[in-house]
Amino acid sequence: SYELTQPLSVSVALGQTARITCGGNNIGSQNVHWYQQKPGQAPVMVIYRDNNRPSRIPERFSGSNSGNTATLTINRAQAGDEADYYCQVWDSSAVFGGGTKLTVL
Amino acid sequence: EVQLVQSGGGLIQPGGSLRLSCAASGFTVSTNYMSWVRQAPGKGLEWVSVIYTAGDTSFADSVKGRFTVSRDNSKNTLFLQMNSLRAEDTAVYYCARIQDTFNYFDYWGQGTLVTVSS
Repeated sequence: SYELTQPLSVSVALGQTARITCGGNNIGSQNVHWYQQKPGQAPVMVIYRDNNRPSRIPERFSGSNSGNTATLTINRAQAGDEADYYCQVWDSSAVFGGGTKLTVL
Repeated sequence: EVQLVQSGGGLIQPGGSLRLSCAASGFTVSTNYMSWVRQAPGKGLEWVSVIYTAGDTSFADSVKGRFTVSRDNSKNTLFLQMNSLRAEDTAVYYCARIQDTFNYFDYWGQGTLVTVSS
């Protein structure tokens, strides 16, 4: 079965750029989606199909996907961006990465 | 406005059964792919099941043979029937709508906690 690998944690200084990676075999050939989950809340999609952002999501959020790595980039990180982030693909069923805890310092 | 409102969680003994409900508004459940995703305490997201528009279903290996998915079109509601529950099924269960062109979850329910314990 397909596997997605994410770092357990990423830290970023307030106002700087955070990058969260999602590794998978030839993931560049897949559609990758990203979700943000804050404590006690349901996940919210922040990026779909590699680099598309729902209208309600700030432009600071962007995505890329190539080769064996997809990346979620958060520019000008804010305290409110602290959350767990999950990547997801569909490989006959939904596959989620293990999640990355983003800390804004 | 699209909404998914869940109900039916709780404490259940090992070996017991429980049915979760997910009432939808703002769209029609039967014309969309719908999924259940769960999250064990302190853990990541785990896909559980999908029901397609034709009514066919698919399940994660961890629940196959024990869980079933159905929908009531008249109530626009999705169900997850969970049988032979185990301690490792303890989790918050989310229903979610799947955007079926690129297979992502565009709307989620609020989640409901299922605790399997004696």
